[in-house]
Amino acid sequence: GQNIDQPTEMTATEGAIVQINCTYQTSGFNGLFWYQQHAGEAPTFLSYNVLDGLEEKGRFSSFLSRSKGYSYLLLKELQMKDSASYLCAVRLLTDSWGKLQFGAGTQVVVTP
Amino acid sequence: ETGVTQTPRHLVMGMTNKKSLKCEQHLGHNAMYWYKQSAKKPLELMFVYNFKEQTENNSVPSRFSPECPNSSHLFLHLHTLQPEDSALYLCASSQDSEGVNYEQYFGPGTRLTVT
Repeated sequence: GQNIDQPTEMTATEGAIVQINCTYQTSGFNGLFWYQQHAGEAPTFLSYNVLDGLEEKGRFSSFLSRSKGYSYLLLKELQMKDSASYLCAVRLLTDSWGKLQFGAGTQVVVTP
Repeated sequence: ETGVTQTPRHLVMGMTNKKSLKCEQHLGHNAMYWYKQSAKKPLELMFVYNFKEQTENNSVPSRFSPECPNSSHLFLHLHTLQPEDSALYLCASSQDSEGVNYEQYFGPGTRLTVT
């Protein structure tokens, strides 16, 4: 079966750095997405990795190691507005379609 | 504004009611999705439509019935639901070409409570 694991909750202070890990055991892997979801709102796309290495986008970076089944999302210079749930999702290959398998999400709490 | 709208935003229904959730995307995408999000659980994919054809039914009970009349609109018809069906129902869309699956854009969701 498919298994995607990420920590339930992380707390960090404003201005700090937080790293959210995601490990997966899936078949037919073809890319990994990170989404941000504020309470009561829609998930919004943050990043996509399909090759090994680091993708940087402003304060957010995402890393992937396919051989280890591992990714992380790095949030730098944390701001209060970064308090949200961060969802790791793996893209699977099916015969005719790619679909996303989501982790349960990591709730990040940013404190003053 | 994500370009994907859902109505209603909140819905309370009894177990014997029939209701429908509506999703509309204004992004010109060709694929649409229904997800269920329960507290402390991963997003669960329910249905996928690609070019109006249903390509995925993730073992969803028949009391949930999707409809996709065109590539911009998606409905989820509900009947004789159970209390455990109470959840946030999210619609998403994406632009997919052959062999490539791009990021999905989500609507704000419908918070459903079954009494």
